[in-house]
Amino acid sequence: DIQVTQSPSSLSASVGDRVTITCRASQSISTYLNWYQEQPGKAPKLLIYAASSLQSGVPSRFSGSGSGTDFTLTISSLQPEDFATYYCQQSYSIPLTFGGGTKVEIK
Amino acid sequence: EVQLVESGGGLIQPGGSLRLSCAASGFTVSSNYMSWVRQAPGKGLEWVSVIHSGGTTYYADSVKGRFTISRDNSKNTLYLQMNSLRAEDTAVYYCANSIAPRRFDYWGQGTLVTVSS
Repeated sequence: DIQVTQSPSSLSASVGDRVTITCRASQSISTYLNWYQEQPGKAPKLLIYAASSLQSGVPSRFSGSGSGTDFTLTISSLQPEDFATYYCQQSYSIPLTFGGGTKVEIK
Repeated sequence: EVQLVESGGGLIQPGGSLRLSCAASGFTVSSNYMSWVRQAPGKGLEWVSVIHSGGTTYYADSVKGRFTISRDNSKNTLYLQMNSLRAEDTAVYYCANSIAPRRFDYWGQGTLVTVSS
């Protein structure tokens, strides 16, 4: 099974900050990496697929990059609605696996 | 508009069975990849199972042999039959769809399954 490790597990940031979350796979997964946002009481939401493609309707302040084993999710200017938990997920092979999550909190 | 509405969760004793349903609208279940993903209390996301548009199914090792994913095309509904339930199956269960394999484009709100005596 492919292990996916996210860091940090939590971070504190202010509105307007640039935020970067990283995800590392235990083996090369090309660009088979997706990012999700989970807000309390809401269904998870797909933000980025195939490492860098923005899902329809997702604000352009979200971006993804990386290939192989190392990936990043960047929020260019943090907005109040972005305080949430973010998960990466490898889609290279079954079993599909998620990172442990990164909780973005208000500083 | 894509909508997914899960139901069927509840409190069940260890060893018991439960069937979850996911009613879909805004798209056709049989032409999408349909998945179940769960989240134990205070924990992260865990993929459970997927059914491909062609009918092929896959399961996480933790549920293989106990859970069965299926769909009813006439009702545009996805199911998860859960047997031999264990305490560690306690979680919110989400259904999700995708037009591409091995990802989750849209998610339902989830249904809580609690396995406890």
